[in-house]
Amino acid sequence: GESVGLHLPTLSVQEGDNSIINCAYSNSASDYFIWYKQESGKGPQFIIDIRSNMDKRQGQRVTVLLNKTVKHLSLQIAATQPGDSAVYFCADGTPDSSYKLIFGSGTRLLVRP
Amino acid sequence: DVKVTQSSRYLVKRTGEKVFLECVQDMDHENMFWYRQDPGLGLRLIYFSYDVKMKEKGDIPEGYSVSREKKERFSLILESASTNQTSMYLCASSLTGGDTQYFGPGTRLTVL
Repeated sequence: GESVGLHLPTLSVQEGDNSIINCAYSNSASDYFIWYKQESGKGPQFIIDIRSNMDKRQGQRVTVLLNKTVKHLSLQIAATQPGDSAVYFCADGTPDSSYKLIFGSGTRLLVRP
Repeated sequence: DVKVTQSSRYLVKRTGEKVFLECVQDMDHENMFWYRQDPGLGLRLIYFSYDVKMKEKGDIPEGYSVSREKKERFSLILESASTNQTSMYLCASSLTGGDTQYFGPGTRLTVL
């Protein structure tokens, strides 16, 4: 079946810098994309989502960019803080899957003080 | 805020025991899901339910069953626990199909 993948398993950034986490998806029919943050020992926490009729969406310190042409999704975190250290993963859904999301394996973000 | 709770954070069981994992959501969501999460394998869908008493197999249903008698509650049952079912179990819910899934804190199950 289709899967969502991530380019980098680990990303290390300096506190205060911006972080960019990337995700490639393979199903051209995907129309809904979500980013989750998972801290150690906790359940995934919703960060931000975007539908395929948009190419950019902003939240508090986070921005998601969607490039449907190359089937690429990115999460940008502004002014990265130590509390941002976690595993981030994306997920996508398609109209015909109705209920199921396909999750990527995750990127670990490490914030250096 | 959406609240998804799971009955236990940590659980230790013996091989062959019957195990119940409970999940409750308080947002009147239609859909509920059970995943397991293992290092290197990511999130894998075990079962999901789109309505009371309705269930659908996910990608790895073998060795598991589920029950949804009430809208807010979705139970995962391991009929006879085995060591390869040692894992982090995550419950999620969403308002409708294709909507954002909100996760509970997870239950780390160890089967000895």
